[in-house]
Amino acid sequence: QQQVKQSPQSLIVQKGGISIINCAYENTAFDYFPWYQQFPGKGPALLIAIRPDVSEKKEGRFTISFNKSAKQFSLHIMDSQPGDSATYFCAAQPGGYQKVTFGTGTKLQVIP
Amino acid sequence: GAVVSQHPSWVICKSGTSVKIECRSLDFQATTMFWYRQFPKQSLMLMATSNEGSKATYEQGVEKDKFLINHASLTLSTLTVTSAHPEDSSFYICSARVLAGVLTNEQFFGPGTRLTVL
Repeated sequence: QQQVKQSPQSLIVQKGGISIINCAYENTAFDYFPWYQQFPGKGPALLIAIRPDVSEKKEGRFTISFNKSAKQFSLHIMDSQPGDSATYFCAAQPGGYQKVTFGTGTKLQVIP
Repeated sequence: GAVVSQHPSWVICKSGTSVKIECRSLDFQATTMFWYRQFPKQSLMLMATSNEGSKATYEQGVEKDKFLINHASLTLSTLTVTSAHPEDSSFYICSARVLAGVLTNEQFFGPGTRLTVL
């Protein structure tokens, strides 16, 4: 029940295309859903986050779509750039000072 | 933005020795810090939750006597890998949560420490 399932495991997108990464969860106690970007040899960095009271959040080229009834959320990267090539982790966290559960990660490669 | 540092960024040690990794929140106070380990091409696995002034809470399967955590102040937590062995070789990452404010859910991650045990 604590798992967050993430797909695909890897993704190759052409420059300018849309990258889409999907996540699903089971625990209805989760109420904070961040996405992290990690470059090789570096720690994860928060990219964008959403709470279940909204269905979409957009920050620049990054958009989270959230479907509470389906318990699914996804990250869309518009106009993907080679600099976006990294591993992306979705995550979920219950309310309060609770620990984060990470997805398995998606390695994105944006090719010119 | 909130910055978390780790020291050292990488360390190589001989089997049987102990290694200490520091995690500092540079521009904010953190009541809670988390320690993760990450194997190549895998996700982050939470090892323990560290609260300032109290004992750390370890995840199931993590040996508390092997991975000693001290959270002595609101800006510093340390992880000591005791009697390290090659299987302890990994990427160790800490994160810190802001003490107060709107972003109470947000965790800020350090850059990680690469530990190699020979």
